[in-house]
Amino acid sequence: AQSVSQHNHHVILSEAASLELGCNYSYGGTVNLFWYVQYPGQHLQLLLKYFSGDPLVKGIKGFEAEFIKSKFSFNLRKPSVQWSDTAEYFCAAQHGSSNTGKLIFGQGTTLQVKP
Amino acid sequence: EAGVAQSPRYKIIEKRQSVAFWCNPISGHATLYWYQQILGQGPKLLIQFQNNGVVDDSQLPKDRFSAERLKGVDSTLKIQPAKLEDSAVYLCASSRQGTGEQYFGPGTRLTVT
Repeated sequence: AQSVSQHNHHVILSEAASLELGCNYSYGGTVNLFWYVQYPGQHLQLLLKYFSGDPLVKGIKGFEAEFIKSKFSFNLRKPSVQWSDTAEYFCAAQHGSSNTGKLIFGQGTTLQVKP
Repeated sequence: EAGVAQSPRYKIIEKRQSVAFWCNPISGHATLYWYQQILGQGPKLLIQFQNNGVVDDSQLPKDRFSAERLKGVDSTLKIQPAKLEDSAVYLCASSRQGTGEQYFGPGTRLTVT
């Protein structure tokens, strides 16, 4: 069965620290990958997406993610976090043959950035 | 452009009661999704519409949940009768044909007591 796994449930960092959130997917076939963010009190927003091409994807607010096909991974990174990055982060996968297909989400990682 | 609209934002009901949620997708978005997000978990698809036709309802508990998208625009999701385990946030999302990106609404937080 298709699944997405996020390694960390809760991450606490100080401002300016580097961030890496792990995401692994289980899927046999072409896959589209996403990272969504949910800031406190707000709705889910797209951070970045990978469909094909360059496996290093850059998103909004300085975030980037790297697709490593051999490891079935799509980890999210940011070199220096800010207090405003405090949020919940979700990794999601979609069948690559249909870009209107359902998203399969991981359980989410809560990031708390201390000022 | 206006985002995905959902109402109500919050709803508290007793078990065995019925409840309905409404969603208005972004104008021009042919695909509409309803997801259920239980506390501590990621969203899980309940049903997907393409215009007014159902594409995927494999994870919809059809004995109590129903959804419709008349005229291919607005959609309603109904639960009848509700159970305690239906307590969750119900998210509506929409996407434009060919883009792959789903836009989410603010969600409806349902508490069943």
